[in-house]
Amino acid sequence: ELKVEQNPLFLSMQEGKNYTIYCNYSTTSDRLYWYRQDPGKSLESLFVLLSNGAVKQEGRLMASLDTKARLSTLHITAAVHDLSATYFCAVDISFNTDKLIFGTGTRLQVFP
Amino acid sequence: DAGVIQSPRHEVTEMGQEVTLRCKPISGHDYLFWYRQTMMRGLELLIYFNNNVPIDDSGMPEDRFSAKMPNASFSTLKIQPSEPRDSAVYFCASSGTGSGNTIYFGEGSWLTVV
Repeated sequence: ELKVEQNPLFLSMQEGKNYTIYCNYSTTSDRLYWYRQDPGKSLESLFVLLSNGAVKQEGRLMASLDTKARLSTLHITAAVHDLSATYFCAVDISFNTDKLIFGTGTRLQVFP
Repeated sequence: DAGVIQSPRHEVTEMGQEVTLRCKPISGHDYLFWYRQTMMRGLELLIYFNNNVPIDDSGMPEDRFSAKMPNASFSTLKIQPSEPRDSAVYFCASSGTGSGNTIYFGEGSWLTVV
């Protein structure tokens, strides 16, 4: 059975701190996506990782992909309150057809 | 571009009624996806189309659900008859050549069946 697991499920962190969200998946894939969702809102694309070893950074967020380990990470540097949201990883399981299976989500709260 | 457009944004209906959700994908995109989001089951892929043709409907929960894409700029997801357990947010998304492998989501249709 295909599984896309994120941990932690819930993360409460202080502003200025660093932390990493992990995304493990159980099937072969070379494309992984990270999305952000604010409460009551749609999903906003953050990163698309297309190959083993891919690393992308935008502001305080950096994502990486290790296809051999079937692991992606989303690293948060010096968190700020505006980063509070739920973060989802999603795996493309059909090789270039964009059929995504989403992880459970990580709800991030950043407090002063 | 206006993005993926969904309607209605919110709908409250009584059990047994027919519900039709609508989606207009981003112009030029050749993939269209319907997802459902609930607290219990998270984000689930229901069905997706490529060039207006349904490719995989294995996520459609049961025969009460049906989806069509009569042309490149319009898709519907229909539930008939609706049940309280269908209450969820239904997202439409699209992608295609030129979108940089990014899949764009609409704002969602919030469905409540009472």
